[in-house]
Amino acid sequence: GDSVTQMEGPVTLSEEAFLTINCTYTATGYPSLFWYVQYPGEGLQLLLKATKADDKGSNKGFEATYRKETTSFHLEKGSVQVSDSAVYFCALTRSGYNKLIFGAGTRLAVHP
Amino acid sequence: GAGVSQTPSNKVTEKGKYVELRCDPISGHTALYWYRQSLGQGPEFLIYFQGTGAADDSGLPNDRFFAVRPEGSVSTLKIQRTERGDSAVYLCASSLTKIGAGGNYEQYFGPGTRLTVT
Repeated sequence: GDSVTQMEGPVTLSEEAFLTINCTYTATGYPSLFWYVQYPGEGLQLLLKATKADDKGSNKGFEATYRKETTSFHLEKGSVQVSDSAVYFCALTRSGYNKLIFGAGTRLAVHP
Repeated sequence: GAGVSQTPSNKVTEKGKYVELRCDPISGHTALYWYRQSLGQGPEFLIYFQGTGAADDSGLPNDRFFAVRPEGSVSTLKIQRTERGDSAVYLCASSLTKIGAGGNYEQYFGPGTRLTVT
């Protein structure tokens, strides 16, 4: 079945460091890919998405590129801030299906 | 505008009891989803409504779980004979998508209901 695997956390970084959170997926067809973020005490929010191969999603300085050849959708940010501390979830939907399939989440802690 | 709301925010119940969890979607959103998030895990799909009907209930773990959306807006997730393994955060999401539209949409999530079964 369809699945999403993301790197285990927690990831601890100093402010202004470079961030990569790895995400790989298994799915038939051509899924759409998402990164959701959950800030402390808040609900899940969509961070960015990509709907076809080679698309790059971007938002708030975060980027992720849909790589079909490696079935990956790694999240990157060039310079993290303390306010980026949160749990990040990679997710997919298959075309024609409406349910999201999530990875286990990666907790990011950024220190000043 | 108002986002997705869920009540209660926390629910503690004894093993074997019946519970109802409520979700108020964003006004005008035709699609509504329930997910369950266990500690340290990502959300897992339970059920999807398009309007009043359950279009996909493949994620409901067993027949103790049931959900309704009688008027196509508010939804209630019902759990009978609760077990300790049901303890989790139950998330509701809504979107504007129509069935078969594919992945080009956004699901807006509520804050969740934390259910604890003692």
